[in-house]
Amino acid sequence: DIQMTQSPSSLSASVGDRVTITCRASQSISSYLNWYQQKPGKAPKLLIYAASSLQSGVPLRFSGSGSGADFTLTISSLQPEDFATYYCQQSYRTPLTFGGGTKVEIK
Amino acid sequence: QVQLQESGPGLVKPSETLSLTCTVSGGSISSYYWSWIRQPPGKGLEWIGYIYYTGSTNYNPSLKSRVAISIDTSKNQFSLRLSSVTAADTAVYYCARVGAVVVGATAYNWFDPWGQGTLVTVSS
Repeated sequence: DIQMTQSPSSLSASVGDRVTITCRASQSISSYLNWYQQKPGKAPKLLIYAASSLQSGVPLRFSGSGSGADFTLTISSLQPEDFATYYCQQSYRTPLTFGGGTKVEIK
Repeated sequence: QVQLQESGPGLVKPSETLSLTCTVSGGSISSYYWSWIRQPPGKGLEWIGYIYYTGSTNYNPSLKSRVAISIDTSKNQFSLRLSSVTAADTAVYYCARVGAVVVGATAYNWFDPWGQGTLVTVSS
């Protein structure tokens, strides 16, 4: 199985901050990497697919980059509605696997 | 737009079979892959498996001996059965559509949209 490791596991940030979350795969997965946002009690929501493509309707402050084994999700200016848990997921090979999540909390 | 809704018992006894159905509305179940994903309380996400509208399936090897996903295109539904459940199978179960885009010779996939999720507790 391809292991997905996210860092940090949690972070505290203020509204307006630039936030970067890292996801590392245990092997190269090209650009087969997706990012999701999950708020408490809700289903995950797709933000980014294919490493850097913004899902329709997702604010432009979200961006994804990387290829191979190292990826980042960046929120350029954190907004109150962005406080949530973020997951990466590889679609390179089954079993499809997710990172452990990064919880973004209010400072 | 396409919406998904999970349904089924919220409580299952140990050693019994968990059965859930996902109803797809606002679009056809045909021509897509459909997936089940679960999340134990307070923990991360685990992919269970997916099914194509033709009925072909792919399961997570960690669950393969206990899981079966089926599809009923006439009802726009697909279903999950997980046998011999234990407390470790307690989780919120989500259904989701597998989206895809082809760029050149490369097909990228993702989960979108998702159902709201349903909590299944395994307890006697």
